[in-house]
Amino acid sequence: SYVLTQPPSVSVAPGQTASITCGGNNIGTKAVHWYQQKPGQAPVVVVYDDSDRPSGIPERFSGSNSGNTATLTISRVEAGDEADYYCQVWDVNTDHAFGTGTKVTVL
Amino acid sequence: EQLVESGGGLVKPGESLRLSCAASGFTFSDSYMHWIRQAPGKGLEWISSITSSASSTFYADSVKGRFTISRDSSAKSSLFLQMNNLTAADTAIYYCARGSETGSTTYFDLWGQGTLVTVSS
Repeated sequence: SYVLTQPPSVSVAPGQTASITCGGNNIGTKAVHWYQQKPGQAPVVVVYDDSDRPSGIPERFSGSNSGNTATLTISRVEAGDEADYYCQVWDVNTDHAFGTGTKVTVL
Repeated sequence: EQLVESGGGLVKPGESLRLSCAASGFTFSDSYMHWIRQAPGKGLEWISSITSSASSTFYADSVKGRFTISRDSSAKSSLFLQMNNLTAADTAIYYCARGSETGSTTYFDLWGQGTLVTVSS
């Protein structure tokens, strides 16, 4: 199966920038999608196809993908950004794979 | 646009359960649909997909041979997951999700609120 590794937690002060990594073998050759999940709620896509944002998602959320690491960047972090974040890819051999998840804490 | 799951509950190991997902507000018959689950305190796990025409279905190894995905694209616009021979490892919140296809990949752009399945003796 295709393994996607994320740091378990990231802490960031309000107004600062949070970077969440997603590591996978040659992940740069795949399209990466990112989801935000707040406690007790269903996930919501915040970035798709590496760096595109769905309508309604603030420009503060951005993504990049190269080599063996994809990154979700949250600029000017707000208290409301506190959540779990998951990366996801589709691979022909393993179908849909999710990352291990990262808990973002706003200090 | 909305997805509403139902059918979760408490069952004993070895028993069966059928989940439903009612879709509204979009053209269900054009949509590739999925089931994704999340064990308590754990991450997300994709478990099954069905194409818009229901001509093809796909399963994760963890549920292959035990779970069956199906859909009714008539007026009811519903997605189903028949789960047989359940074990404690199947305890999770089950989400239905709509797939959005971009180029050669798919992401999940609409999720239901989830339904909890608990397998315990």
